[in-house]
Amino acid sequence: RKEVEQDPGPFNVPEGATVAFNCTYSNSASQSFFWYRQDCRKEPKLLMSVYSSGNEDGRFTAQLNRASQYISLLIRDSKLSDSATYLCVVNSAGNNRKLIWGLGTSLAVNP
Amino acid sequence: GAGVSQSPSNKVTEKGKDVELRCDPISGHTALYWYRQSLGQGLEFLIYFQGNSAPDKSGLPSDRFSAERTGGSVSTLTIQRTQQEDSAVYLCASSLRAGSQETQYFGPGTRLLVL
Repeated sequence: RKEVEQDPGPFNVPEGATVAFNCTYSNSASQSFFWYRQDCRKEPKLLMSVYSSGNEDGRFTAQLNRASQYISLLIRDSKLSDSATYLCVVNSAGNNRKLIWGLGTSLAVNP
Repeated sequence: GAGVSQSPSNKVTEKGKDVELRCDPISGHTALYWYRQSLGQGLEFLIYFQGNSAPDKSGLPSDRFSAERTGGSVSTLTIQRTQQEDSAVYLCASSLRAGSQETQYFGPGTRLLVL
């Protein structure tokens, strides 16, 4: 089993739709979780950290479920500019400085 | 406020040649990371620096790969005797401190093509 697994998609949704991505991680001792966004042929950029209690930033909501070892990202009222690959990132338990990156979920928001 | 810069942006080389990739982190960032991303693949951790020391070199794929950082700033990743499978985008990131809670800021990457 991969340390971090994501559905690669692509997810094709119309503008204004709500879309959710899940990501599972294998090591129950992991403590830090993030969603990064990567546009085509660009570098990754932090979208948001994921906190135990869940957190929201505008149209984006992140949730953590430790019991089931998954994190989720919900995008409401999706915009054309949300089209990108969303990368799930989890710290490597036992090595607090090393991050394990998922392969990403591709989202295309269509007019 | 300059971000992370990398050079060259693109590099085409012949199999067997050595290449040197450069990363200039954000000023004041003590931690620096090198990753590799092959076409259609996720980010592969290579090495990270805290200051000038590299506590974790576990991701370097072979002894042809080495990296150094001097003055707590610029880092170079050297690939000796390049192979075609080394073709990838090499991304550098920096963070204020080493630690998985720290946001990593990425440079634009160096696209390496080994013919």
